[in-house]
Amino acid sequence: GESVGLHLPTLSVQEGDNSIINCAYSNSASDYFIWYKQESGKGPQFIIDIRSNMDKRQGQRVTVLLNKTVKHLSLQIAATQPGDSAVYFCAENNGDYKLSFGAGTTVTVRA
Amino acid sequence: GAVVSQHPSRVICKSGTSVKIECRSLDFQATTMFWYRQFPKKSLMLMATSNEGSKATYEQGVEKDKFLINHASLTLSTLTVTSAHPEDSSFYICSAPGTSGIRSYNEQFFGPGTRLTVL
Repeated sequence: GESVGLHLPTLSVQEGDNSIINCAYSNSASDYFIWYKQESGKGPQFIIDIRSNMDKRQGQRVTVLLNKTVKHLSLQIAATQPGDSAVYFCAENNGDYKLSFGAGTTVTVRA
Repeated sequence: GAVVSQHPSRVICKSGTSVKIECRSLDFQATTMFWYRQFPKKSLMLMATSNEGSKATYEQGVEKDKFLINHASLTLSTLTVTSAHPEDSSFYICSAPGTSGIRSYNEQFFGPGTRLTVL
């Protein structure tokens, strides 16, 4: 069967390497997904979003992949930098602006 | 554009007192705002939807008499934690939907959060 990326609460990555953060969502009717970055003591910051009619979207150094079949979302960060150290949350939106957040992954970048 | 502020950023209070947290959309109007609660090393949990000119709608399990929400204008929502107790200590974050002109689909702008500590 198709493999699904495992959600890990923490991820340690060497500076310059690529990071992959996984998320499983719960509602098959969700039509919009967002990745947020949260630094300590701050509110979430938008990274990238994707609508359910797409399976991939690229931004600057980031790529989001959506697999609706297994309800899985991933965020890929290219050439991870120290400033990327933060907690990353995926969120799903059901069309009424209310967001449901995933558990979060703490990314630590090693110099 | 599309900035959301919160005040205060940090508050410490004694058990039994009430604390008011403000959420403002600085350069756009928001008929709807959302309040989230976040425990240390945990995710954001939606508490309630604040509606301008009408009652807030609360998520299941959130006490509306404990967490009073008032959305008095198109740029201000307040969350009052009444008779606060140590278990109410948390990070409270608000958000408002808006548009930056870059992304316009269900974009949410988050405030910087308020750290509440109840002694």
